[in-house]
Amino acid sequence: QVQLQESGPGLVKPSQTLSLTCTVSGDSISSVNYYWSWIRQHPGKGLEWIGYIYYSGSTYSNPSLKSRLTISVDSSKNQFSLKLSSVTAADTAVYYCARAVAYCSGGSCYTGVWFDYWGQGTLVTVSS
Amino acid sequence: DIQMTQSPSSVSASVGDRVTITCRASQGIARWLAWYQQKPGKAPKLLIYAASNLQGGVPSRFSSSGSGTDFSLTISSLQPEDFATYYCQQANSFPYTFGQGTKLEIK
Repeated sequence: QVQLQESGPGLVKPSQTLSLTCTVSGDSISSVNYYWSWIRQHPGKGLEWIGYIYYSGSTYSNPSLKSRLTISVDSSKNQFSLKLSSVTAADTAVYYCARAVAYCSGGSCYTGVWFDYWGQGTLVTVSS
Repeated sequence: DIQMTQSPSSVSASVGDRVTITCRASQGIARWLAWYQQKPGKAPKLLIYAASNLQGGVPSRFSSSGSGTDFSLTISSLQPEDFATYYCQQANSFPYTFGQGTKLEIK
């Protein structure tokens, strides 16, 4: 059974860097079939895709966050991480890590499209 | 970015009812659409992918259709465990975007 677990500080001061790690169990983060994703949800609001990373280190990020965002992978620990710099109160949210699965149709496969396994989420509050 | 608009934003229904939620994309996304169910305090759960494919383990009372810009999710006979918030997500182009959600409440 695939499981993802977020970890990191629940409180970050404004202007500092938010850092979270997602530990994957039950699957190898080096699998060629998946991208490993970060998604957030502002309190009482909808979902926002932050970005994702392939085991090789290739990343795709939401342009709205790209200038402040770093996503990295540590295959030896089966973990991937998120760093978001210069945070403000607008970055207060529940942060989820998720596995983005491939979709194959008509002889072609497209990687990293749907999110089939999610962590439980971790609330990060930005406040002084 | 592709905007995903769901309607209604909330709906009240009773156990056994048939409910349909719609999702409209601001531009064509072919069949690059997924539906998720989220219960309070929990992570979203993938229900449907590629517009109409049921994820493993999801009850057959859930179905979905559509392509291009207009999609719908139907629950044929509501069960108590179906009361939740539902989100659509487009995977046609980056950045992936979600609808604002439809809250399904007990009448």
